[in-house]
Amino acid sequence: DTEVTQTPKHLVMGMTNKKSLKCEQHMGHRAMYWYKQKAKKPPELMFVYSYEKLSINESVPSRFSPECPNSSLLNLHLHALQPEDSALYLCASSDRGLQETQYFGPGTRLLVL
Amino acid sequence: ELKVEQNPLFLSMQEGKNYTIYCNYSTTSDRLYWYRQDPGKSLESLFVLLSNGAVKQEGRLMASLDTKARLSTLHITAAVHDLSATYFCAVTNQAGTALIFGKGTTLSVSS
Repeated sequence: DTEVTQTPKHLVMGMTNKKSLKCEQHMGHRAMYWYKQKAKKPPELMFVYSYEKLSINESVPSRFSPECPNSSLLNLHLHALQPEDSALYLCASSDRGLQETQYFGPGTRLLVL
Repeated sequence: ELKVEQNPLFLSMQEGKNYTIYCNYSTTSDRLYWYRQDPGKSLESLFVLLSNGAVKQEGRLMASLDTKARLSTLHITAAVHDLSATYFCAVTNQAGTALIFGKGTTLSVSS
């Protein structure tokens, strides 16, 4: 099973809302990632969790808060977002870290009004 | 700072013809990845290239790596419509703390 699942597929939220994105993998991978992708741009790495610990935070604003409850799950909590945060949010996982092939989930398309 | 450049950014291909996409990177790296992304979809891993001279092939796509020139190529043989997508190359830095994507090459195949 090489599947990474993400929910929801689509999300519309206001700037005062709080919402969460969820990601799950059952490949036994120990590294999980959040990426942000704007239209017609490459993915940009936001966070890396390695062995359930946050190992890389690419200077992401605090209105994005990641959480890794266990080795299979990764959440991204959203609060007080701005319209420019509208994008496709991709979750990925790999065996141990950035040096291995990453498997991407289908993404959550987020629209902030 | 690791930078990754792809060219061309757009490629209009005719069915049955051969084409090449280029991916240059600025600093030494252990490995290079090629991903495919269909419109509105996620990224699909195509190839990972680990060493100088590595060549991998899958169907009509062949990827190669020249670490001395810091260059990877993705060669398309006899393009077909199914290959229309955006192709990204991505490179990890030696410390393993960053994965940098190129801007992507959008391929469009017409008959």
